[in-house]
Amino acid sequence: DAGVIQSPRHEVTEMGQEVTLRCKPISGHDYLFWYRQTMMRGLELLIYFNNNVPIDDSGMPEDRFSAKMPNASFSTLKIQPSEPRDSAVYFCASSLFGNTIYFGEGSWLTVV
Amino acid sequence: AQSVTQLGSHVSVSEGALVLLRCNYSSSVPPYLFWYVQYPNQGLQLLLKYTTGATLVKGINGFEAEFKKSETSFHLTKPSAHMSDAAEYFCAVSEEAGSYQLTFGKGTKLSVIP
Repeated sequence: DAGVIQSPRHEVTEMGQEVTLRCKPISGHDYLFWYRQTMMRGLELLIYFNNNVPIDDSGMPEDRFSAKMPNASFSTLKIQPSEPRDSAVYFCASSLFGNTIYFGEGSWLTVV
Repeated sequence: AQSVTQLGSHVSVSEGALVLLRCNYSSSVPPYLFWYVQYPNQGLQLLLKYTTGATLVKGINGFEAEFKKSETSFHLTKPSAHMSDAAEYFCAVSEEAGSYQLTFGKGTKLSVIP
Protein backbone atom coordinates (compact mmCIF):
# COMPACT_ATOMS: atom_id res chain seq x y z
CA ASP A 1 0.00 0.00 0.00
CA ALA A 2 1.17 3.51 -0.74
CA GLY A 3 1.92 5.61 2.29
CA VAL A 4 1.32 9.31 2.78
CA ILE A 5 2.64 11.07 -0.30
CA GLN A 6 3.98 14.61 -0.11
CA SER A 7 5.21 16.97 -2.78
CA PRO A 8 7.51 18.64 -3.38
CA ARG A 9 10.18 16.86 -1.37
CA HIS A 10 12.43 19.89 -1.53
CA GLU A 11 11.61 23.50 -2.24
CA VAL A 12 13.83 26.55 -2.29
CA THR A 13 12.06 29.84 -2.75
CA GLU A 14 12.68 33.52 -2.33
CA MET A 15 11.19 35.53 0.48
CA GLY A 16 7.79 36.90 -0.45
CA GLN A 17 6.90 34.09 -2.81
CA GLU A 18 3.90 31.83 -2.35
CA VAL A 19 4.62 28.24 -1.37
CA THR A 20 2.18 25.37 -1.77
CA LEU A 21 2.83 21.98 -0.20
CA ARG A 22 0.71 19.03 -1.20
CA CYS A 23 -0.35 15.85 0.50
CA LYS A 24 -2.16 12.68 -0.45
CA PRO A 25 -3.18 10.73 2.66
CA ILE A 26 -3.49 6.99 2.90
CA SER A 27 -6.70 5.83 1.26
CA GLY A 28 -9.49 5.35 3.77
CA HIS A 29 -7.95 7.44 6.53
CA ASP A 30 -10.28 10.01 8.02
CA TYR A 31 -7.76 12.21 9.83
CA LEU A 32 -5.11 14.35 8.19
CA PHE A 33 -2.46 16.35 10.02
CA TRP A 34 0.11 18.96 9.08
CA TYR A 35 3.21 19.18 11.28
CA ARG A 36 6.24 21.44 11.12
CA GLN A 37 9.69 20.40 12.33
CA THR A 38 12.45 22.85 13.20
CA MET A 39 15.62 22.58 15.24
CA MET A 40 14.41 25.21 17.67
CA ARG A 41 10.83 24.13 18.24
CA GLY A 42 10.86 20.44 17.35
CA LEU A 43 7.66 18.93 15.95
CA GLU A 44 4.59 21.13 16.09
CA LEU A 45 1.06 20.30 15.03
CA LEU A 46 -0.16 23.05 12.74
CA ILE A 47 -3.65 21.88 11.85
CA TYR A 48 -5.67 18.73 11.51
CA PHE A 49 -8.74 17.68 9.57
CA ASN A 50 -11.39 15.06 10.19
CA ASN A 51 -13.41 13.96 7.20
CA ASN A 52 -12.02 16.93 5.24
CA VAL A 53 -13.18 19.45 7.86
CA PRO A 54 -10.58 21.50 9.77
CA ILE A 55 -10.94 20.67 13.45
CA ASP A 56 -8.11 22.54 15.14
CA ASP A 57 -5.93 25.16 13.49
CA SER A 58 -4.60 26.68 16.69
CA GLY A 59 -1.09 25.67 15.73
CA MET A 60 -1.04 27.67 12.52
CA PRO A 61 1.53 30.34 13.27
CA GLU A 62 0.14 33.29 11.33
CA ASP A 63 -2.45 34.33 8.81
CA ARG A 64 0.19 33.79 6.15
CA PHE A 65 -0.44 30.07 6.61
CA SER A 66 -3.56 28.37 5.28
CA ALA A 67 -4.56 24.77 4.73
CA LYS A 68 -7.32 23.17 2.74
CA MET A 69 -8.66 19.70 2.18
CA PRO A 70 -11.03 19.80 -0.79
CA ASN A 71 -11.54 16.03 -0.77
CA ALA A 72 -10.55 12.92 1.11
CA SER A 73 -7.47 12.30 -1.00
CA PHE A 74 -5.81 15.70 -1.17
CA SER A 75 -4.69 18.53 1.08
CA THR A 76 -2.58 21.64 0.65
CA LEU A 77 -0.64 23.84 3.02
CA LYS A 78 0.01 27.30 1.62
CA ILE A 79 2.33 30.02 2.86
CA GLN A 80 1.85 33.46 1.36
CA PRO A 81 4.05 35.43 1.55
CA SER A 82 6.88 33.19 2.67
CA GLU A 83 9.61 34.37 5.06
CA PRO A 84 13.04 32.92 5.93
CA ARG A 85 11.76 31.86 9.37
CA ASP A 86 9.31 29.54 7.63
CA SER A 87 12.23 27.32 6.60
CA ALA A 88 11.50 23.91 8.07
CA VAL A 89 10.42 20.39 7.25
CA TYR A 90 6.67 20.12 6.85
CA PHE A 91 5.14 16.73 7.45
CA CYS A 92 1.74 15.53 6.43
CA ALA A 93 0.31 12.56 8.30
CA SER A 94 -2.90 10.59 8.29
CA SER A 95 -4.73 8.10 10.47
CA LEU A 96 -7.90 6.17 10.92
CA PHE A 97 -9.55 7.20 14.18
CA GLY A 98 -8.07 5.36 17.13
CA ASN A 99 -5.14 4.03 15.20
CA THR A 100 -1.55 4.82 14.34
CA ILE A 101 -0.63 8.11 12.71
CA TYR A 102 1.39 7.54 9.54
CA PHE A 103 3.78 10.24 8.39
CA GLY A 104 4.89 11.21 4.93
CA GLU A 105 8.55 11.74 4.14
CA GLY A 106 8.25 15.49 4.50
CA SER A 107 8.65 18.59 2.38
CA TRP A 108 11.94 20.40 3.06
CA LEU A 109 11.33 24.12 2.63
CA THR A 110 14.08 26.71 2.44
CA VAL A 111 13.13 30.37 2.10
CA VAL A 112 16.03 32.64 1.15
CA ALA B 1 -2.00 20.34 29.26
CA GLN B 2 0.23 17.50 28.21
CA SER B 3 3.98 17.71 27.72
CA VAL B 4 6.95 15.47 27.05
CA THR B 5 10.55 15.80 28.19
CA GLN B 6 13.27 13.74 26.61
CA LEU B 7 16.46 13.75 28.61
CA GLY B 8 19.51 14.06 26.41
CA SER B 9 19.30 15.48 22.93
CA HIS B 10 22.13 13.21 21.84
CA VAL B 11 23.04 9.73 23.10
CA SER B 12 26.01 7.66 21.92
CA VAL B 13 26.37 3.94 22.52
CA SER B 14 28.75 1.28 21.30
CA GLU B 15 27.49 -1.39 18.96
CA GLY B 16 26.15 -4.25 21.08
CA ALA B 17 25.59 -2.07 24.14
CA LEU B 18 22.30 -1.32 25.86
CA VAL B 19 20.23 1.50 24.43
CA LEU B 20 18.29 3.60 26.95
CA LEU B 21 16.41 6.68 25.81
CA ARG B 22 14.56 8.56 28.51
CA CYS B 23 11.10 10.08 28.30
CA ASN B 24 9.03 11.72 31.02
CA TYR B 25 5.56 13.03 30.43
CA SER B 26 2.99 15.26 32.02
CA SER B 27 -0.69 14.60 31.53
CA SER B 28 -3.86 15.45 33.41
CA VAL B 29 -5.48 12.15 32.45
CA PRO B 30 -4.18 8.63 31.90
CA PRO B 31 -1.92 9.06 28.90
CA TYR B 32 -1.41 7.25 25.67
CA LEU B 33 2.33 7.09 24.95
CA PHE B 34 4.28 6.58 21.77
CA TRP B 35 7.81 6.26 20.48
CA TYR B 36 8.57 7.22 16.90
CA VAL B 37 11.84 6.87 14.99
CA GLN B 38 13.06 9.17 12.24
CA TYR B 39 15.85 8.04 9.95
CA PRO B 40 17.76 10.71 8.05
CA ASN B 41 15.68 12.49 5.43
CA GLN B 42 12.64 10.39 6.19
CA GLY B 43 9.34 10.77 7.98
CA LEU B 44 8.48 9.41 11.40
CA GLN B 45 7.75 5.73 11.87
CA LEU B 46 5.92 4.29 14.87
CA LEU B 47 8.13 2.06 17.01
CA LEU B 48 5.64 1.20 19.72
CA LYS B 49 2.74 2.55 21.71
CA TYR B 50 1.13 2.17 25.10
CA THR B 51 -2.62 2.60 25.40
CA THR B 52 -3.93 0.38 28.19
CA GLY B 53 -3.10 -3.00 29.70
CA ALA B 54 0.39 -4.40 29.99
CA THR B 55 2.86 -1.72 30.96
CA LEU B 56 5.79 -3.33 29.13
CA VAL B 57 5.31 -2.73 25.45
CA LYS B 58 7.31 -4.41 22.71
CA GLY B 59 7.84 -2.75 19.38
CA ILE B 60 9.63 -3.23 16.13
CA ASN B 61 13.36 -3.77 15.69
CA GLY B 62 13.80 -5.21 19.19
CA PHE B 63 12.80 -2.07 21.07
CA GLU B 64 10.59 -2.03 24.12
CA ALA B 65 9.34 0.55 26.58
CA GLU B 66 7.83 0.40 30.04
CA PHE B 67 5.09 2.69 31.28
CA LYS B 68 5.71 3.66 34.90
CA LYS B 69 2.87 5.76 36.22
CA SER B 70 4.54 6.51 39.55
CA GLU B 71 7.56 7.93 37.75
CA THR B 72 5.58 9.45 34.84
CA SER B 73 8.09 7.78 32.56
CA PHE B 74 8.11 5.80 29.34
CA HIS B 75 11.76 5.00 28.67
CA LEU B 76 12.78 3.20 25.49
CA THR B 77 15.28 0.35 25.65
CA LYS B 78 17.00 -2.17 23.42
CA PRO B 79 19.38 -4.78 24.82
CA SER B 80 21.94 -4.60 22.01
CA ALA B 81 22.45 -1.67 19.68
CA HIS B 82 22.97 -2.16 15.96
CA MET B 83 24.49 0.33 13.57
CA SER B 84 21.12 0.52 11.83
CA ASP B 85 19.55 1.93 15.01
CA ALA B 86 21.28 5.26 14.46
CA ALA B 87 18.41 7.72 14.07
CA GLU B 88 16.40 10.30 15.96
CA TYR B 89 13.80 9.06 18.41
CA PHE B 90 10.73 10.96 19.51
CA CYS B 91 8.53 10.29 22.49
CA ALA B 92 4.94 11.53 22.24
CA VAL B 93 1.90 11.71 24.49
CA SER B 94 -1.79 11.91 23.78
CA GLU B 95 -4.74 12.27 26.09
CA GLU B 96 -7.12 10.85 23.52
CA ALA B 97 -7.53 7.30 22.33
CA GLY B 98 -7.62 8.53 18.79
CA SER B 99 -4.08 9.87 19.24
CA TYR B 100 -4.79 12.87 17.07
CA GLN B 101 -3.55 15.34 19.65
CA LEU B 102 0.02 14.11 19.84
CA THR B 103 2.51 16.24 21.71
CA PHE B 104 6.08 15.35 20.82
CA GLY B 105 9.28 15.66 22.78
CA LYS B 106 12.26 17.46 21.24
CA GLY B 107 13.83 14.19 20.18
CA THR B 108 16.99 12.25 21.04
CA LYS B 109 19.56 11.56 18.37
CA LEU B 110 21.11 8.13 18.82
CA SER B 111 24.59 7.48 17.50
CA VAL B 112 25.99 3.94 17.42
CA ILE B 113 29.76 3.62 17.56
CA PRO B 114 31.32 0.59 15.82
